[in-house]
Amino acid sequence: GAVVSQHPSWVICKSGTSVKIECRSLDFQATTMFWYRQFPKQSLMLMATSNEGSKATYEQGVEKDKFLINHASLTLSTLTVTSAHPEDSSFYICSARDRLAGGAEQYFGPGTRLTVT
Amino acid sequence: GEDVEQSLFLSVREGDSSVINCTYTDSSSTYLYWYKQEPGAGLQLLTYIFSNMDMKQDQRLTVLLNKKDKHLSLRIADTQTGDSAIYFCAEPYSGYSTLTFGKGTMLLVSP
Repeated sequence: GAVVSQHPSWVICKSGTSVKIECRSLDFQATTMFWYRQFPKQSLMLMATSNEGSKATYEQGVEKDKFLINHASLTLSTLTVTSAHPEDSSFYICSARDRLAGGAEQYFGPGTRLTVT
Repeated sequence: GEDVEQSLFLSVREGDSSVINCTYTDSSSTYLYWYKQEPGAGLQLLTYIFSNMDMKQDQRLTVLLNKKDKHLSLRIADTQTGDSAIYFCAEPYSGYSTLTFGKGTMLLVSP
C-alpha cells in the first residue's frame, strides 16, 4: 500500500518551454501533497505544499508563477515548470500524506529528472 | 524551521553493522522517521518511532531514541551491498503539516 507515482520519470526540454509533472497517489487519498526539489548530493528542498481544492502554499524563495501547482483531486497533483531555464534542471520529487493516517509520514514518488537544454 | 543534523558519510563492510546517527531539535515531536533513498529514486519510508518509545526493532533495523539528548539512531544489522543508499532522518514540523529532513547520510557498503 501507500504507493505514489510520478510521470514522467525523466524529461528533457528546451529552454523557454513548459513542462508538466504529475504526482498520483495510487491506493490512498491524499488531501496534502508536497513538491520537493533535490540537487545532486543534497537533501530535499520543500518547494510547496499542495492541498486538494485550494491554492498551494509556497516556501519562501519559490516563484509561484514559475512553478504552478494544481491539486484538483484527492489522488492527483501537478507541477508545471513554466518557461524553463537550464537552472531549473533538477530532480523533482513529490510526496503525499494519507488523509486517514494519524502521523506525519509522507510517501514519496520515484522522482522526475528534468533537464533543460 | 527546526534543524535535523546527520553525519554525511558512513562506510562499512558487508556483514558488519551500520549505525547512522541523527540529532533533532523539536522536543515535542511525536514521531521520528527514517527514509532511504537509492540512486536516482524517490524516498522510501523505512521505519518510524513514537516518542514514547526508546527502541523499535524491525527485522534488521533497530531504531534507538534518546529524548533527553534528542538523539535518534538507525542500526542496520548484517549490512548488505543493497543497503548502500542515502538515509534521511526526519521530524514533523508546522503542526504535522510537513517534515524537516536532515541532509542525509550516504552509506557505502563494500563487499
